[in-house]
Amino acid sequence: VLTQSPGTLSLSPGERTTLFCEASQSVGSRYLAWYQQKPGQAPRLLIYGASNRAAGIPDRFSGSGSGTDFTLTISRLEPEDFAVYFCLQYGRSFTFGQGTRLEIK
Amino acid sequence: QVQLVESGGGVVHPGGSLRLSCAASGFTFNNYGMHWVRQVSPGKGLEWVAFISHDEDKKDYAESVKGRFTISRDKSTNTLYLQMNSLRAEDTAVYYCAKDWLKWTNLKTYFDSWGQGTLVTVSS
Repeated sequence: VLTQSPGTLSLSPGERTTLFCEASQSVGSRYLAWYQQKPGQAPRLLIYGASNRAAGIPDRFSGSGSGTDFTLTISRLEPEDFAVYFCLQYGRSFTFGQGTRLEIK
Repeated sequence: QVQLVESGGGVVHPGGSLRLSCAASGFTFNNYGMHWVRQVSPGKGLEWVAFISHDEDKKDYAESVKGRFTISRDKSTNTLYLQMNSLRAEDTAVYYCAKDWLKWTNLKTYFDSWGQGTLVTVSS
């Protein structure tokens, strides 16, 4: 099981934020990815291997963590960053977190 | 760039069947494993459904669909399929096809590209 927190975040553009993803057991060797999903769109890969930015992802997005605890940090929120964020573990089959909704305050 | 376009969704009665398709372009389809992933409602829970390796040697399924769904691919048309039989209300979801990051292997890793999805509704 992957548990994301918080469920919803209300923030303003320009702010910094950290999203959390906790696994019930170790996902091993950082087999953790983060996705962004906007309404009516497919999920978009942001981070893989816990801390590697996917191609074309701005450097304001960063991931860290290992074992059971992982974070996604957005250093300075842009208007286009308000969306739902999912974590995915791919070390033992696949499990998604339930998502964190990032909304404009 | 990578493009994945799903089709075939619709409304079906419980116990019915449906076949989803995913047309792939912008990459060498035969080199990559492919997945189906479903989402019950927008912005809500995602569930991995099935995987097929680049050479079709390996197929894996979620327990919830094993024995009812079949994944396949056609190299000549660069198309991925999902045959869904004995459909249940709980199969109602948007179904996405997704490309695996790793090529030339039977291993499953993460999804680096997704289609826009096709909606399947199972209802009487």
